[in-house]
Order: sequence, then structure tokens, then C-alpha cells
Amino acid sequence: RKEVEQDPGPFNVPEGATVAFNCTYSNSASQSFFWYRQDCRKEPKLLMSVYSSGNEDGRFTAQLNRASQYISLLIRDSKLSDSATYLCVVNYGGSQGNLIFGKGTKLSVKP
Amino acid sequence: DVKVTQSSRYLVKRTGEKVFLECVQDMDHENMFWYRQDPGLGLRLIYFSYDVKMKEKGDIPEGYSVSREKKERFSLILESASTNQTSMYLCASSLDSYGYTFGSGTRLTVV
Repeated sequence: RKEVEQDPGPFNVPEGATVAFNCTYSNSASQSFFWYRQDCRKEPKLLMSVYSSGNEDGRFTAQLNRASQYISLLIRDSKLSDSATYLCVVNYGGSQGNLIFGKGTKLSVKP
Repeated sequence: DVKVTQSSRYLVKRTGEKVFLECVQDMDHENMFWYRQDPGLGLRLIYFSYDVKMKEKGDIPEGYSVSREKKERFSLILESASTNQTSMYLCASSLDSYGYTFGSGTRLTVV
């Protein structure tokens, strides 16, 4: 069974805090990994891909641990505008891109 | 940027009606997908298509059908709408396994 598991939260953090989300996936044949961001009542949007070597985009760092089958997202210096739901996404389907979405982790950044 | 357009932002339909949800993308993507998103259940794949006139069932196809007569258009059809099909419907397209671009969603209420 192809599953992607996330802690639903909510994570309530003050501005400026560092927050980390983890996600586990069930199928070791998974090929590519992503984090999406979804604002309230909006569509999901690609935040960043996750590479085996780890990757960083400004305040956001994504890590992949294939041996343990988990993915992480670290947000440093949280902003109010980071408040959203973060979806962990795994591609099981090869070149056609059949993605499996986690249910999301809700982040609320408070002043 | 890829644009995925869903024809309606909000729809209210009566039980038993046949409902058409339209999705158009403008970047010549082969792959198109229909999801529904419900609180606590996350995104669930209804149908997808890898090419014109091709369709594949996702995880929850019951009560739905799809049509892809042209590459840019992927339609979701509710043959006889029921109240348990009240949901947010999201269309997405992709070129490859890199990631999806979503439309802004259609919030369907069946009364």
C-alpha cells in the first residue's frame, strides 16, 4: 500500500522560531519527493523538491533519508506569511508523475 | 508559468443532477489529474489521464467518469450527483514526474 504519513498539527509557533516537519512514506521504490504548500481555501503549490543530498531555498531546508523512508522540512526564522498547510508528496509512478499526497501539517505562526 | 483553469469556483447542484467540471491547461502537458479534497482525508485521486482519450481510475472513481477529447481539456463528470460528493475538486496537470500545477479548485455543494 502506498502511504504518506504526516503529523497533522497544528504547529503553533511564534514569529522567528524554527520549526521542523517530518513525513514518512511506505514504499521504498519511491522515486521523487516534494513539499507543497496550501493556503486556506487555495490550491496546493509546489514549495520545493527534495533531493537525496538535501537542498535549501532561503529559509527552507528539505532533507531525504531513504534508509529510514522519511522526509523533513525545516523552516527557519518563521514569518506570519508561512502560516499554511504543508503537504508531503511522493512520486511512485515513474515518468508520468503519479503523486501521492500526505494529508498535510498545519502551521500557524503567531506575532 | 503553466496555467490550469477550472471553469467554476463555486457550484451548487441538486441530488441526481449530472454535473460537469471542466479543466483546461495551456502548456501542452500530457498528464492531467482530478482530485477531491475533504477535511481530514486529504487529497484523493479520482481519475487521471496520460494522453488524449486515455483514462485511468484513481483511488475513488465510483460515481465519477472523465473525458479527455483534447490534450488541453480534462472533464470530470458526476453521473448522478449525491450529497456525499460535496467537496473541493482540484484539477492538476504535469509534464513529467517533477510536480503538478493545480487549478484553483471548484467547491461543489450537492443539496
